[in-house]
Amino acid sequence: GAVVSQHPSWVICKSGTSVKIECRSLDFQATTMFWYRQFPKQSLMLMATSNEGSKATYEQGVEKDKFLINHASLTLSTLTVTSAHPEDSSFYICSAGGMTSGTGELFFGEGSRLTVL
Amino acid sequence: LAKTTQPISMDSYEGQEVNITCSHNNIATNDYITWYQQFPSQGPRFIIQGYKTKVTNEVASLFIPADRKSSTLSLPRVSLSDTAVYYCLVGEGNYGQNFVFGPGTRLSVLP
Repeated sequence: GAVVSQHPSWVICKSGTSVKIECRSLDFQATTMFWYRQFPKQSLMLMATSNEGSKATYEQGVEKDKFLINHASLTLSTLTVTSAHPEDSSFYICSAGGMTSGTGELFFGEGSRLTVL
Repeated sequence: LAKTTQPISMDSYEGQEVNITCSHNNIATNDYITWYQQFPSQGPRFIIQGYKTKVTNEVASLFIPADRKSSTLSLPRVSLSDTAVYYCLVGEGNYGQNFVFGPGTRLSVLP
């Protein structure tokens, strides 16, 4: 099946720094990618929808200036957590659906665990 | 987007068949039903997808009644490694639609 890869799988940073997480679709073109956040023992919460070549659409309550999303190509979307704080520590997951995903199956990345000290 | 309801948790023993039912009363005509499995610290993994009746693959079966207001994921002969959270998602299935995750069902398989 299609593969979506995230990098890094885990990152530790100091409070106030910015962290970039990459999401790549390895064997298909993803016109749309989604970013989720998951806290321990909780479900995935959609943060934003990333569309290739256009601005991302953010869910209510998600600060677009804090969580910068760029989808510059059909195979890459990036999420940058700016001025990270301890409350931003979470598991971030991307998913992609695209021209070859047929019936709308979403393919998920492995996730990126962010720890802000 | 159709809302889904699943049991929060289930326990089973190795070798048993496990059936997880999901309710989606306001499913739309164009919606598909998709189940995902998630292990701790990993992204969700696709299990099975269906529109109506029964779908079977190498890991699971999906039963969907005629009214499509519910669906049942059936895992035959579970093992300890099937301990995970299982999510039922309902969506139109086009490229641009996101899925809204409910709390899922936490399945614990005991020896």
